[in-house]
Amino acid sequence: EVQLVQSGAEVKKPGESLRISCKASGYRFSTYWIAWVRQTPEKGLEWMGIVYPDDSDAKYSPSFQGQVFMSADKSINTVYLQWTSLKASDTAIYYCAKRLEEMATLTPFDSWGQGTLVTVSP
Amino acid sequence: EIVMTQSPATLSVSPGERVTLSCRASESVSQNLAWYQQKPGQAPRLLIYAASTRASGIPVRFSGSGSGTEFTLTISSLQSDDFAVYYCQQYEKWPPYTFGRGTKLEIK
Repeated sequence: EVQLVQSGAEVKKPGESLRISCKASGYRFSTYWIAWVRQTPEKGLEWMGIVYPDDSDAKYSPSFQGQVFMSADKSINTVYLQWTSLKASDTAIYYCAKRLEEMATLTPFDSWGQGTLVTVSP
Repeated sequence: EIVMTQSPATLSVSPGERVTLSCRASESVSQNLAWYQQKPGQAPRLLIYAASTRASGIPVRFSGSGSGTEFTLTISSLQSDDFAVYYCQQYEKWPPYTFGRGTKLEIK
């Protein structure tokens, strides 16, 4: 069974750094791209970017380029999303999601993590 | 980026009814369109991909159609478990993949 298990909720102050994680199991981790998706009441679901676990190659949405960093550690089947300086506007639920197909580029996301709530407040 | 527009924003329906949700893309996405269901406190769940292919384990009452810029999701006979928010997503042109704002199905 494919599972993506994300790290727990975080409460941070503006300007702080943060790294959240998504641990995968039940499939060949290294060769399926994993995306990060942000959800807020104001903007709904926003696709942030995607990372290839085998070599940590990452592609970002223009809206998030330079704001976050995505990486992977294939030795522990985990991908990461990190910020160096959080803003209040980063308050959201963050999901990781695995691509349905291994090699295809035109493919949706079939397995999702449970979400990580990040709250940024003074 | 491609803008996805869903209508209506909210739909009040009764169990057993047939319901059709709409999704429009600002430019052609061919058939690279997915539908997701999201319940409160849960992650989105893939229902339909390639515009009309049901994902693994999805009941046959869910069906999708369309191509280019116009798409629909139909639920043939609403069950109590189907009251949720439904999102469409295009994966034709990325980055970024883009989602619609969702249609909320609520009990009439």
